[in-house]
Amino acid sequence: DAKTTQPPSMDCAEGRAANLPCNHSTISGNEYVYWYRQIHSQGPQYIIHGLKNNETNEMASLIITEDRKSSTLILPHATLRDTAVYYCIVRVVGGAQKLVFGQGTRLTINP
Amino acid sequence: ETGVTQTPRHLVMGMTNKKSLKCEQHLGHNAMYWYKQSAKKPLELMFVYNFKEQTENNSVPSRFSPECPNSSHLFLHLHTLQPEDSALYLCASSQERAGGPWVTQYFGPGTRLTVL
Repeated sequence: DAKTTQPPSMDCAEGRAANLPCNHSTISGNEYVYWYRQIHSQGPQYIIHGLKNNETNEMASLIITEDRKSSTLILPHATLRDTAVYYCIVRVVGGAQKLVFGQGTRLTINP
Repeated sequence: ETGVTQTPRHLVMGMTNKKSLKCEQHLGHNAMYWYKQSAKKPLELMFVYNFKEQTENNSVPSRFSPECPNSSHLFLHLHTLQPEDSALYLCASSQERAGGPWVTQYFGPGTRLTVL
């Protein structure tokens, strides 16, 4: 599975958009980009995933560059409850989903 | 509430004890996972069960012994652990289907294990 690179930490003001970048320059054509987050002392929570096109759901938007070498997770109106560690994972299709978590980005939402 | 429950939520045990962690999923999924999260380390996959069959053992020491009696239940039996095994142990489940990309894993809240 392709390796991902994320900044170790970010801060964002409450009510503003939080943009979390992820580099995955070695991604291959059949690998999807997944985002999970982990709020302190809880299990990780799925947020969104995508292959090529930008995706949006009730939690976030995912913007994938045309060359697919990087992506950005956007939380449009961050709240204090969005403070968490965010993980960007790339994963091939098929088989049991062996998610490989990196260090992620610790996002702190400030009041 | 993700539909995946874990008990106990906290466990303190001595190195000579034998204990078991339990995970139950109420989602009708066919795959279950054990992960370990040590302090300041990324989550590490330990075991994968697909349709009750173990399909992945990520070089986990034999003092950790998984059991999957049915597709809804997963256990992790612990014996003669070391203090460095203290960690958050997370269970997850997913519905696997061939060729399907939009498979997400649902995680339980974890068991915080302390080995004295």
